[in-house]
Amino acid sequence: IAGITQAPTSQILAAGRRMTLRCTQDMRHNAMYWYRQDLGLGLRLIHYSNTAGTTGKGEVPDGYSVSRANTDDFPLTLASAVPSQTSVYFCASSDASGTDTQYFGPGTRLTVL
Amino acid sequence: GQNIDQPTEMTATEGAIVQINCTYQTSGFNGLFWYQQHAGEAPTFLSYNVLDGLEEKGRFSSFLSRSKGYSYLLLKELQMKDSASYLCAVIGNDYKLSFGAGTTVTVRA
Repeated sequence: IAGITQAPTSQILAAGRRMTLRCTQDMRHNAMYWYRQDLGLGLRLIHYSNTAGTTGKGEVPDGYSVSRANTDDFPLTLASAVPSQTSVYFCASSDASGTDTQYFGPGTRLTVL
Repeated sequence: GQNIDQPTEMTATEGAIVQINCTYQTSGFNGLFWYQQHAGEAPTFLSYNVLDGLEEKGRFSSFLSRSKGYSYLLLKELQMKDSASYLCAVIGNDYKLSFGAGTTVTVRA
């Protein structure tokens, strides 16, 4: 593994289903983030984690949950998917929270029907 | 809330110069980032400005004026591979990145 990986690459999901998007980094970064990217809106922060064991809400957290059991992994769960959650999801990490540069994973394209 | 504005699209010719402007109104300011994003790919870091002035890095330069809430990214000697979206992002008092919607640059031969 080099950098940040995300899985799956893409997924089509029926509304009401539960889905977990996976994110793993091997840079030993303390901070991790989940964003969604929609046309015309730019990247919006869903949830973040400043360090293992802690999480926080971003700009658009409703309908999503996260956990940070260890440094490397930061999964994002949609408990009951809705069509408005159709988006491209990016995971990112940085050495520390604050002003450190964030590095992004390749993204997951999610379609909820 | 955070308000970050940048043009939606720009077109330029190979070998030319293009300047992408970004204006922001945010709750506090702790730095401004520029990212490049090719279609279907992840954003990649280009530059970071926290003090006023120009930062030059090869063909790319970034300028910041904190008093005017303004930044620009200058791309010189444009190449076809520079066709991409360019994202302006600001760190406010919450120390979280707020992104503009991005500027899609198309380079023509």
